[in-house]
Parts: sequence; C-alpha cells; structure tokens
Amino acid sequence: EAQVTQNPRYLITVTGKKLTVTCSQNMNHEYMSWYRQDPGLGLRQIYYSMNVEVTDKGDVPEGYKVSRKEKRNFPLILESPSPNQTSLYFCASSKNFDSGYGYTFGSGTRLTVV
Amino acid sequence: QQQVKQSPQSLIVQKGGISIINCAYENTAFDYFPWYQQFPGKGPALLIAIRPDVSEKKEGRFTISFNKSAKQFSLHIMDSQPGDSATYFCAASLSGNTPLVFGKGTRLSVIA
Repeated sequence: EAQVTQNPRYLITVTGKKLTVTCSQNMNHEYMSWYRQDPGLGLRQIYYSMNVEVTDKGDVPEGYKVSRKEKRNFPLILESPSPNQTSLYFCASSKNFDSGYGYTFGSGTRLTVV
Repeated sequence: QQQVKQSPQSLIVQKGGISIINCAYENTAFDYFPWYQQFPGKGPALLIAIRPDVSEKKEGRFTISFNKSAKQFSLHIMDSQPGDSATYFCAASLSGNTPLVFGKGTRLSVIA
C-alpha cells in the first residue's frame, strides 16, 4: 500500500530533550515536506525537500532541523524542544515539486513538550 | 502575510443541505487550487482541485467554483451528509515553482 509512515504517533517529552520524528514513504516520491497543525492556524510548512540532499526552509523553520540522506526518509529533528513546539505534525510527499500531483500525508504525530 | 484566506472557520449544516466554504488568494501567479479533506486522527487527503483555465469543476457532490478576477474560489458540497463532517483546507500554488500554501481550515459538521 502506497503510504507515508510517521513515527511515533504520540510523544510526550520534556523541555530540552532532543527528539526525532521519523517519516518514510514507499512511493519513490522526490518531494517531501513537514507541516505543523495548530488550532486556528491551519497547516504551516516547517521544511521541505525537493530531492536527496536538497532541503529548504518553510514558513516556520525555527527550532527544527531536517535531513534527506535517502529518498524515502525525511526525519524531523527538534534539538531542544520547547513548549511552544507542542503541536500536531504531518509529513507529506509528492511525486515531485509540482504540487499538481497532489500531496500524500502521513497520519500525524501529536507532540507534547512539558 | 497570509496568502490564502479561508472562511468560515467553522460551519454547521443540516443533512441534505449545501455546504459552502470560501477562499481568497493574493498571488495572481497561482495556477493550482486544491481542496484537502481531513478526518479526525488522519492526515489531510486531496479531495478535488482546479486550475484557472476553467471556472468550475465537479466531482460527484463536490464542486469547486473559481473566480479569477476576484481571486476567489469556493468548495460546494451538495446534499451534505454526516460522513462529510471533517476539516477542509483550501490551498494554492504556482505549479512547479512554489510549495502549496494552505488556508487555516474550516471545520464542517453535518447534523441529521
């Protein structure tokens, strides 16, 4: 089944403790992206990657890192999480950067930073 | 600067009624306008999309109306059903040039 897989689904952590949210897709998609979803603010893009070793900042990149060493994986790294990063996170992928192909989203990771 | 403005934030519709969600965009270069549907506990999924060379696109009970001069587009859900209850996001982009920019979402509740 074609899908985007995120792990974990739920995560509670403490301020300052580094964490990684993994994202993997099995569709050989070139384009991958991370979003955060907050009430009243909708979906805001954190980082995106047009292909292996090519990443770029989205609208809200502060406090996040990403890497794209393999085509299928696009982990989101929070080096020193803070409570304002408590959010619902989604990874998405697309055939390529042409958004006309449509984005496939993962099921989300609900992160709580205390 | 919000490039895509979506309204209303929430909407309650009776079963069988018409649900209408509106979006306005600022960048006249945008050429791709999709709508995504998100059920609780799930990621958004592409519902229907339109390009500015047509003024309307229909897929089943879902219709996008597009007004290029007003820089507005809307989603109409005919004969709304409780199973349509979800959050709907409009989005826009310049194909192959910019990532999708999403509206803030509309939570639709269809009540029997």
